[in-house]
Amino acid sequence: QVQLVQSGAAVKKPGASLKVSCRASGYNFTDHYIHWVRQAPGQGLEWMGQINPNTGGIDIPQNFQGRVTMTRDTSLITAFMDLSTLTSDDTAVYYCARGVAERPEGVKDYSYYMDVWGKGTTVIVS
Amino acid sequence: SSKLTQDPTVSVALGQTVRITCQGDSLRNHFASWYQQKPGQAPQVVIYGKNSRPSGVSDRFSGSRSGNTASLTITGAQAEDEADYYCESRDSEVVFGGGTRLTVL
Repeated sequence: QVQLVQSGAAVKKPGASLKVSCRASGYNFTDHYIHWVRQAPGQGLEWMGQINPNTGGIDIPQNFQGRVTMTRDTSLITAFMDLSTLTSDDTAVYYCARGVAERPEGVKDYSYYMDVWGKGTTVIVS
Repeated sequence: SSKLTQDPTVSVALGQTVRITCQGDSLRNHFASWYQQKPGQAPQVVIYGKNSRPSGVSDRFSGSRSGNTASLTITGAQAEDEADYYCESRDSEVVFGGGTRLTVL
């Protein structure tokens, strides 16, 4: 079945960098974007960006630009998210999720959603 | 980027119908997706597009959109529906609503 398996929990010092991996299985890795979403303790979901595994092209929202890098290794069917210059505000659970874009017949607009999520990677910055 | 606004908390009596709303300008041109998140678990999509449900999601869940407001309706709410619900949409980038905590009384 379709699965995204993330790397394990991490404890980081302020100022350090973080690398989280997300290994895909059960589908053609290059057919779907991979999104990265984080959730601070007791808070909501925050989108960190997306990568096109086929081209390596990335989209990063302004609030993470300069600190987030997303890459992929198609031979390992794995996506990676790097976050630099960590502070305590980066303490969160980090999720990867598979993106879907589809347009049902007869419908003008595309539907975009994240249909499969990894279990999350807990990161503590302290 | 556009902002999506949700009520922080909503409650519903067991077996009754509840509507969770999401407001934002991007919803005038883009569908919302809705995610359910239970404590300690990753989110899972319950509604996407015009009103589509992934396989395995109860038909108690339905979605709609009017103007700048998207709605998730749970008809005949059950105890297992108690969770946090997030809307998501996109124009130039993906944005999530702040989330609604649903309590089933």
